[in-house]
Amino acid sequence: DAGVIQSPRHEVTEMGQEVTLRCKPISGHDYLFWYRQTMMRGLELLIYFNNNVPIDDSGMPEDRFSAKMPNASFSTLKIQPSEPRDSAVYFCASSYYGETQYFGPGTRLLVL
Amino acid sequence: GENVEQHPSTLSVQEGDSAVIKCTYSDSASNYFPWYKQELGKRPQLIIDIRSNVGEKKDQRIAVTLNKTAKHFSLHITETQPEDSAVYFCAASWAYNTDKLIFGTGTRLQVFP
Repeated sequence: DAGVIQSPRHEVTEMGQEVTLRCKPISGHDYLFWYRQTMMRGLELLIYFNNNVPIDDSGMPEDRFSAKMPNASFSTLKIQPSEPRDSAVYFCASSYYGETQYFGPGTRLLVL
Repeated sequence: GENVEQHPSTLSVQEGDSAVIKCTYSDSASNYFPWYKQELGKRPQLIIDIRSNVGEKKDQRIAVTLNKTAKHFSLHITETQPEDSAVYFCAASWAYNTDKLIFGTGTRLQVFP
């Protein structure tokens, strides 16, 4: 298995632009997690899905952030409009039956 | 809410020495405690985990101990090597929904040759 796949790996955008991050979980995994990592705040859980249904989005910072999982193989995290404080590494992780979480390589986002 | 405290934030050891990282959690209902290693610019990767029905688990040079009464768990690395240098994160499953992990703030371990 290729593991969790994320795209793009790097994204540089200007403030106010829309940013879409993509994730493909490991095949067969039924949980998908979106995390944000910064030096100041560490590793934060933003939202997670079980069987494509959002279970807990309490970590989503504000309405500018939204996430979808239209099917078991794909999820997106969208930021609109983006702001400089959104600059971070965004990780997607997946797990089977709530067991070990496997992280993707991350998307390094820089908002200018 | 659920909280995981991790100490120390940085740790420097000589190659061959042991390293110990400690974490405490706030809710006694947490039952799953993984440890992740993150090398610079890479993703976090699971190195060992323990469940609340076990007091200790070992995998070669790495061991984890759990004290449920005191609500703390520790990572022990023996015979450290330069390639052990990384940031280590502990985590605890959230009491009300065990699929969710609460992460500690990380420990930057440096192993000097």
